[in-house]
Amino acid sequence: NAGVTQTPKFRVLKTGQSMTLLCAQDMNHEYMYWYRQDPGMGLRLIHYSVGEGTTAKGEVPDGYNVSRLKKQNFLLGLESAAPSQTSVYFCASSTSTDRGVRSGANVLTFGAGSRLTVL
Amino acid sequence: AQKVTQAQTEISVVEKEDVTLDCVYETRDTTYYLFWYKQPPSGELVFLIRRNSFDEQNEISGRYSWNFQKSTSSFNFTITASQVVDSAVYFCAFRGGGATNKLIFGTGTLLAVQP
Repeated sequence: NAGVTQTPKFRVLKTGQSMTLLCAQDMNHEYMYWYRQDPGMGLRLIHYSVGEGTTAKGEVPDGYNVSRLKKQNFLLGLESAAPSQTSVYFCASSTSTDRGVRSGANVLTFGAGSRLTVL
Repeated sequence: AQKVTQAQTEISVVEKEDVTLDCVYETRDTTYYLFWYKQPPSGELVFLIRRNSFDEQNEISGRYSWNFQKSTSSFNFTITASQVVDSAVYFCAFRGGGATNKLIFGTGTLLAVQP
């Protein structure tokens, strides 16, 4: 059981280049998320998905696109990378229903992160 | 608007000291959930605890304890007898009562435990 897997783990881009980050989960989770982590700013939600074929904007969606064609995969795309998109990106997934844990809400399981540098 | 504040940017302690990490949240929701995650130097995010708004019972897990007080909108985390392995960034996070499980994170507290 691999959990949440992100590829690639590291990438260096030049301004204007495009790329796609892939997130794959094998836990049959309905919900998936992309966050970015920047120094002093914590984690901020970029986009999320509550099911196959659906996506929604988070707090900082500009410059990114996402797709959820299969339940287990959530892709994050940068069409024209900018230096401001230099960050560590985390994918996460969760169930959509409480599985009976006493404290009553669903825990996000995170991937190991992808470090992106845009020159 | 919902917000999580971790006012302590960095804390440095000597091994075996107790340390408390503060977390204050803002919300108008009556149902909500609070979380703590740990991010060790290796970079992954490790879930520590989750509380819901209708359960103010404090929790202890080994050297870790959490104090949830709705009256002060705080969810503080205490490590007793800290160890070098506790060195990490700790994030407090909030989830409202909606159906999407979106988490709002604080900016994190870097804890350095010196030997």
